Amino acid sequence: EVQLVESGGVVVQPGGSLRLSCAASGFTFDDYAMHWVRQAPGKGLEWVSLISWDGGSTYYADSVKGRFTISRDNSKNSLYLQMNSLRAEDTALYYCAKDRTSGGGRWLQLDYWGQGTLVTVSS
Amino acid sequence: QSVLTQPPSASGTPGQRVTISCSGSSSNIGSNTVNWYQQLPGTAPKLLIYSNNQRPSGVPDRFSGSKSGTSASLAISGLQSEDEADYYCAAWDDSLKGVFGTGTKVTVL
Repeated sequence: EVQLVESGGVVVQPGGSLRLSCAASGFTFDDYAMHWVRQAPGKGLEWVSLISWDGGSTYYADSVKGRFTISRDNSKNSLYLQMNSLRAEDTALYYCAKDRTSGGGRWLQLDYWGQGTLVTVSS
Repeated sequence: QSVLTQPPSASGTPGQRVTISCSGSSSNIGSNTVNWYQQLPGTAPKLLIYSNNQRPSGVPDRFSGSKSGTSASLAISGLQSEDEADYYCAAWDDSLKGVFGTGTKVTVL
């Protein structure tokens, strides 16, 4: 059974930093691209970032480019999101999601999602 | 930051057919495939349709997708009470980013 479990969400002050983690199991992690998607309270889904199966290619939404860094450790079946210079508008539930396709992931076919971890940016 | 436009709401009675539209541009829907997600209240999204019209295993055939030019549609036939949820379209954009639609809340009357 595929499982994705996010962690690391907390309350942080504006300008602060945070690292989210996603532990994956039930599939061959290093075969698939992975994504982060967020959802602000009461709002819609916003794609945040994508990393290819080998970590060689990364992509970001304009709203987080230069502040967030996606990475993965295939030896630990783990995905990460380093978040710096946090703003109030980054407050959201952050989902880790597996891409359905092997390889680069530039199809946005997210077939498994975690339950999310809540990040609140507030003073 | 959504660049895919959906109607905010849609509704129907049980058994009816409901259609949700998703309007994009040449850089996303016009040149890449469209996916649809269903988000039941309080839960994570679920992949409903991928590659314009393909259903993952376990998704009822009441759900169907189509694409034409820079627009796409999701149809729910034989609407059921458990279909009450938020629905989002999504596609890759040639500017090297993913984009989701604005979301449509489906209500079963």
